[in-house]
Amino acid sequence: AQTVTQSQPEMSVQEAETVTLSCTYDTSESDYYLFWYKQPPSRQMILVIRQEAYKQQNATENRFSVNFQKAAKSFSLKISDSQLGDAAMYFCAYRAFFYSGGSNYKLTFGKGTLLTVNP
Amino acid sequence: DGGITQSPKYLFRKEGQNVTLSCEQNLNHDAMYWYRQDPGQGLRLIYYSQIVNDFQKGDIAEGYSVSREKKESFPLTVTSAQKNPTAFYLCASREDSGANVLTFGAGSRLTVL
Repeated sequence: AQTVTQSQPEMSVQEAETVTLSCTYDTSESDYYLFWYKQPPSRQMILVIRQEAYKQQNATENRFSVNFQKAAKSFSLKISDSQLGDAAMYFCAYRAFFYSGGSNYKLTFGKGTLLTVNP
Repeated sequence: DGGITQSPKYLFRKEGQNVTLSCEQNLNHDAMYWYRQDPGQGLRLIYYSQIVNDFQKGDIAEGYSVSREKKESFPLTVTSAQKNPTAFYLCASREDSGANVLTFGAGSRLTVL
């Protein structure tokens, strides 16, 4: 079974600084998707960024970028120029690429990292 | 705007009572999901449905039931058999193409008194 591990329960960063959130996963598959979701105090889950495992280039979305290390099964999220609105719980998630009866569309989530942004 | 609506946002229930959480989407997505969120536990899958009139158990289905009579609706019933029902419940639907990204509702907080 796939597992996703976020080893940092809490992180803090100064406004305008850069922070990196860690995520590792375990899978025997070669093709899959990885996601970072953000859950602010409103508790609405928001997709931050996604990465296809077959793409070597790291995904980037404005101030958010990932460092995807497939061999190490590592998928860290870097937030540059941190803003107060970035304060949230961040979840890393895994999904297998192929379709097999529908069950492989299931997202497996890590336990989350609570990010605090200090002014 | 397209999205997912969950209701109620807050719900209180006495022990021994069943309660139904509503989830409605207007994104025209085929697949829908229910997740449970507990502090320090991340999100755990309760049930999912790939298409109308079909659904499968997730990792923690015991004490829950669902129905999928309409494409837009995927209600979750928390039964009295669920031993620890107090939690935050999230409904999601899935894109039908590409990376099949999940879109989430705003959630429902259930408290058992």
